[in-house]
Amino acid sequence: DTGVSQDPRHKITKRGQNVTFRCDPISEHNRLYWYRQTLGQGPEFLTYFQNEAQLEKSRLLSDRFSAERPKGSFSTLEIQRTEQGDSAMYLCASSHKVRGTGNEQFFGPGTRLTVL
Amino acid sequence: TQLLEQSPQFLSIQEGENLTVYCNSSSVFSSLQWYRQEPGEGPVLLVTVVTGGEVKKLKRLTFQFGDARKDSSLHITAAQPGDTGLYLCAGEDSGYALNFGKGTSLLVTP
Repeated sequence: DTGVSQDPRHKITKRGQNVTFRCDPISEHNRLYWYRQTLGQGPEFLTYFQNEAQLEKSRLLSDRFSAERPKGSFSTLEIQRTEQGDSAMYLCASSHKVRGTGNEQFFGPGTRLTVL
Repeated sequence: TQLLEQSPQFLSIQEGENLTVYCNSSSVFSSLQWYRQEPGEGPVLLVTVVTGGEVKKLKRLTFQFGDARKDSSLHITAAQPGDTGLYLCAGEDSGYALNFGKGTSLLVTP
């Protein structure tokens, strides 16, 4: 059983560059989420996919951010024209909600982004 | 967004001690989850509580969901250095996202 995987684990970039992260969810999970976590804070929700449809976006997701899940399997998160404030841990999670069990989300190891 | 407050923010104890951390909100959640996170890694799911008043045990960890489903607690018996980490609670409301608290950072020294 493989868990959620994310690539790369670390990314260092210069301000103004574009970056793209990939997330591979647990194979039978139809729900996929992106969160961002900064130092001293809990994860903050960015966006949610059910299969290939992007159903919810946080207001944290500015127009420089775009996420896709083209075939309902892996997902990508792209940040254009990165800013120093984008430096954070980007976390991906997946779930397959079963009635009565709560929305159990399983997280990947994260991608640590540093914008210089 | 429903605010989840966790206390204490930091906790440093010696191996063998007991401890309790709290997760409180003014809002009702349909479920609440507890995670543990180590530096540089993603959160790892420990437990999900769904029913008001529910108590779940995971070895030396005991989780309780408040009767009104607004708060929760995590009690660790005889803490070990391997329990060191950031403990996060997350509430599920009517949406899809989990609303996280800021966490309790626990350090257990030998």
